[in-house]
Amino acid sequence: EIVLTQSPGTLSLSPGERATLSCRASQSVSNRHLAWYQQKSGQSPRLLIYGASTRATGTPVRFSGSGSETDFTLTISRLEPEDFAVYYCQQYGSSPRTFGQGTKVEF
Amino acid sequence: EVQLVESGGGLVQPGESLRLSCAASGFAFSSYWMHWVRQVPGKGLVWVSRIDSGGSSTAYVDSVKGRFTISRDNAKNTLFLQMNSLRAEDTAVYYCAREWVGGTYPQLYYYGMDVWGQGTTVTVSS
Repeated sequence: EIVLTQSPGTLSLSPGERATLSCRASQSVSNRHLAWYQQKSGQSPRLLIYGASTRATGTPVRFSGSGSETDFTLTISRLEPEDFAVYYCQQYGSSPRTFGQGTKVEF
Repeated sequence: EVQLVESGGGLVQPGESLRLSCAASGFAFSSYWMHWVRQVPGKGLVWVSRIDSGGSSTAYVDSVKGRFTISRDNAKNTLFLQMNSLRAEDTAVYYCAREWVGGTYPQLYYYGMDVWGQGTTVTVSS
């Protein structure tokens, strides 16, 4: 099983600032099969990025994903008030699919 | 409107069974892979199981193998999760989610879980 470790656990930033979230895998994620999800309090998760860097339909351009093999990054170029949430990475290159423990972006 | 609606959650005792349903509408259900993901309130997401579009291929996280069974009825646009021998650690909100998968085996292209239901709560307690 691939273990995903996200850092930091909490990111304290202000609107307009840049957020950089890390997701490190215990072994290589094949074919860059990594996704990022956003979850706001009391809501279901929302797909932001798949294939490590492809924005899902409706994902604002301020969200970008990068990385390969064991190191992946989600960057939010300029935080908007609605971006304060918990973010999860997930690998789907091997079974079982696994999620990271999440990074909370707080104001 | 594209929608997934879970139902079937509730309070059960350890060792009992429960069957979750996920009703799909607004899209071609039979063309999508489907997943179950669970979350203990205040904790992270845990992928539980998935089924391919035709229902012939399934996969599970180790902690539920042999106890949970995922299935689907494409004629009724419904996904199921049969949960047997429930344990306290199965207590969580259970979400269903869809995923578009293109290509043909073994060259498959995955597009992420782009639509999620609102979740149904399962509580296992004596």
